[in-house]
Amino acid sequence: EDQVTQSPEALRLQEGESSSLNCSYTVSGLRGLFWYRQDPGKGPEFLFTLYSAGEEKEKERLKATLTKKESFLHITAPKPEDSATYLCAAKGGTSYGKLTFGQGTILTVHP
Amino acid sequence: ETGVTQTPRHLVMGMTNKKSLKCEQHLGHNAMYWYKQSAKKPLELMFVYSLEERVENNSVPSRFSPECPNSSHLFLHLHTLQPEDSALYLCASSQPGQGVETQYFGPGTRLLVL
Repeated sequence: EDQVTQSPEALRLQEGESSSLNCSYTVSGLRGLFWYRQDPGKGPEFLFTLYSAGEEKEKERLKATLTKKESFLHITAPKPEDSATYLCAAKGGTSYGKLTFGQGTILTVHP
Repeated sequence: ETGVTQTPRHLVMGMTNKKSLKCEQHLGHNAMYWYKQSAKKPLELMFVYSLEERVENNSVPSRFSPECPNSSHLFLHLHTLQPEDSALYLCASSQPGQGVETQYFGPGTRLLVL
């Protein structure tokens, strides 16, 4: 059975303090690894898709990387507006359209 | 704004009520999804529709009944729900056939069952 585990559950940073979020996955035939951002009371907002080990993608202060077992979301010099829950999801080669989600990392950035 | 809208945004219902959730996507996608998001738990896929045909049903109780009349609209009909069904219900859409398609989510319906 496909599994996705995110760590830490919660992360508190000071503004400007860089850090990384981890997403470990066990998925049969990984076809894509997705990162989403979710603000309270809203739906997940798409950030990145990674397809193969070694791939990296960047957007503003965020950079996502992928290995054969895990993905990292690096946050460089975060700002308070980066505070949100970050969700990782993996798509395997078996079920149609099914994404397996992790439980998320709640990021709080203090000014 | 992601192009996926959901109504209502909030819903309170008793266990004997019947209600429906509505989702509409304006992205020209052919696949639509219902997810359940409970506190402290990962998103759970409930149903998948592709070209208005249900292609996946993740062992969801029959008190949840989906309907997809066309590729832009998706409904979730609710009846005789239980308090443990209280959650955020999210709709998503994607365009299959373009590699590994990205799912775009709506804002969700916050459901409280009393």
